[in-house]
Amino acid sequence: SAVISQKPSRDICQRGTSLTIQCQVDSQVTMMFWYRQQPGQSLTLIATANQGSEATYESGFVIDKFPISRPNLTFSTLTVSNMSPEDSSIYLCSVYRSTNTGELFFGEGSRLTVL
Amino acid sequence: GDSVTQMEGPVTLSEEAFLTINCTYTATGYPSLFWYVQYPGEGLQLLLKATKADDKGSNKGFEATYRKETTSFHLEKGSVQVSDSAVYFCALSDYTGGFKTIFGAGTRLFVKA
Repeated sequence: SAVISQKPSRDICQRGTSLTIQCQVDSQVTMMFWYRQQPGQSLTLIATANQGSEATYESGFVIDKFPISRPNLTFSTLTVSNMSPEDSSIYLCSVYRSTNTGELFFGEGSRLTVL
Repeated sequence: GDSVTQMEGPVTLSEEAFLTINCTYTATGYPSLFWYVQYPGEGLQLLLKATKADDKGSNKGFEATYRKETTSFHLEKGSVQVSDSAVYFCALSDYTGGFKTIFGAGTRLFVKA
């Protein structure tokens, strides 16, 4: 199984600021996924990050608000820009555990609270 | 489009009770089906999976059978423990030029001693 490390694990942020979340995987992977889990809600895919190309964003998410970097095959960052209290969520990094079935492996998440 | 519907929670059970969490899905293709579990303060982890009709996934005493005729993947456990208290997510992964994973809303389970 892959080991996924996310930083920070949690943070409290002020409205209007930006925060960058880091995701490090212990093996090379083609695709990395960023999910958002709002309080008491299910997971929503924000974007897919491929190395060497622009991230692919899902409907309702835009690059200006959630810029993503993918400099190599083991690392990605997600920035939450100009935060508001509505951005308070757990942000999860994920990779395929199996490319045959689409099974996912998740990091422990970054819990952001915006005041 | 594809979707997953699971029973609303929270579900509260006493220790050693029988657990069923219902999950139904709609999909255009032939998806793989999963149950993920999220323990308090942690990320999601795979609990079990089934990749084709009539497959039964099982792990840690939990079971779910892929029923194509009823488009269902209900999670069951014969005797729950306090340590099973968590949020359970039903999910499907369908390949349409690339895998797309759809999650259900999640069901929170509380098990009382």
